[in-house]
Amino acid sequence: DTEVTQTPKHLVMGMTNKKSLKCEQHMGHRAMYWYKQKAKKPPELMFVYSYEKLSINESVPSRFSPECPNSSLLNLHLHALQPEDSALYLCASSPSPGTYNEQFFGPGTRLTVL
Amino acid sequence: DQQVKQNSPSLSVQEGRISILNCDYTNSMFDYFLWYKKYPAEGPTFLISISSIKDKNEDGRFTVFLNKSAKHLSLHIVPSQPGDSAVYFCAASRRDSWGKLQFGAGTQVVVTP
Repeated sequence: DTEVTQTPKHLVMGMTNKKSLKCEQHMGHRAMYWYKQKAKKPPELMFVYSYEKLSINESVPSRFSPECPNSSLLNLHLHALQPEDSALYLCASSPSPGTYNEQFFGPGTRLTVL
Repeated sequence: DQQVKQNSPSLSVQEGRISILNCDYTNSMFDYFLWYKKYPAEGPTFLISISSIKDKNEDGRFTVFLNKSAKHLSLHIVPSQPGDSAVYFCAASRRDSWGKLQFGAGTQVVVTP
C-alpha cells in the first residue's frame, strides 16, 4: 500500500458546525503533515507530526485542532470556521521527519465553509 | 515572504520537445529541493528531488539541475508527452525544519500535439 487516503473528498459546513478530516497511510511513515491550499496558490504547511508528536504548528488558529491517534492516522478537527477557511486540505506523509525525504500527498479534502 | 519563486505561471510546449521549468530561491539554508506535479482535484505527486551536494539528478525523462551559486534550479522533461500537462511545483526544505516544504507558486504546463 503506497498511498495516502483522505476522507471525506468534499465537505460543506456552516460556521457553527464541528467536523473532522481524516488521513490514513499504511506505509510505515513516521512523519505526517497537514497543508492548506487556496485556489491558484501553492500548498502552505499547517502542522507537522513526528512519531505521533506535534513538531510544528505554523501559527494556525485554534479553530483547527490536529490529532494523531497512532502512526497511521491523522485527524484535523474543525470548529467555528470562517468562510475564508474554504480551501483544499492536503495530508502528506514521509518515512521520517526532517529533510531528504519526499512527502507523499493524499488527494485532499475540498472544504467549503458557508 | 516568498522564498521559493517560479516566475513563469505557464508554459506551452509541443509533444516530443523539451520542457524546461525554472525555480529560484532566496534562502541559502535550503538543502533539499523537490519537484511535484499536480493534476486538478488530486494531491501533488512527487517527481524528482536533489540535495544541495549535487548539481544534477536524472530519473527517466526528468532531470533536475541545481546551481547553488545562482540559487536556481530547473526541471527538464524530455520528450514531453500529453500526460505531462499539469501544474508543476518546485519545493525546498532545510535540514532543521522537520521536513517543512516551501512551495513555489507553480507553473502550468500544457503539452500540445
